[in-house]
Amino acid sequence: TQLLEQSPQFLSIQEGENLTVYCNSSSVFSSLQWYRQEPGEGPVLLVTVVTGGEVKKLKRLTFQFGDARKDSSLHITAAQPGDTGLYLCADNTNAGKSTFGDGTTLTVKP
Amino acid sequence: KAGVTQTPRYLIKTRGQQVTLSCSPISGHRSVSWYQQTPGQGLQFLFEYFSETQRNKGNFPGRFSGRQFSNSRSEMNVSTLELGDSALYLCASSLRAGYYGYTFGSGTRLTVV
Repeated sequence: TQLLEQSPQFLSIQEGENLTVYCNSSSVFSSLQWYRQEPGEGPVLLVTVVTGGEVKKLKRLTFQFGDARKDSSLHITAAQPGDTGLYLCADNTNAGKSTFGDGTTLTVKP
Repeated sequence: KAGVTQTPRYLIKTRGQQVTLSCSPISGHRSVSWYQQTPGQGLQFLFEYFSETQRNKGNFPGRFSGRQFSNSRSEMNVSTLELGDSALYLCASSLRAGYYGYTFGSGTRLTVV
């Protein structure tokens, strides 16, 4: 069974700071997704990466997929309070049965 | 286009009762997956349906069941509720069994007392 480890578990920063969160797997990812979830709501898909070494940008968010497809990172530049939430990575190696990491809870203080 | 709709949003049930949750996927999405989310266990996969057939099942007891209708709408049922079943139940639809990611509903918050 594939295990996804996310770090750090909690992160509290001031508005304007930069941050990076990580997702590591015990085996190779098939496709990797990053989601953001706000309290009481479902996760919202941010990005999907499938190719080793791939880099995708979404405004102030930069997603990297490791060359060996066993790790990924999410970098946020100049964080804003609206970025606050639970960031989850997920692997779809078992199609239709995605495995989720436990997430990084990010708090951005104004 | 409309997103994934889950009903009801909140439920309070008593131990021993049963409950049915409903999910309407995005139009055109034939794959519907269900997840349970709790603070201690995170997001745990329950089952996935495609064209009215259960294709995948997670490690949950038989008290958890589901079905999918011909219009892709799905329901999940939990019988003989236990306190530990209190959780946020999330439905997700996708085009390719989640390969490019899911669109999640807002969830049903179930509290068992």
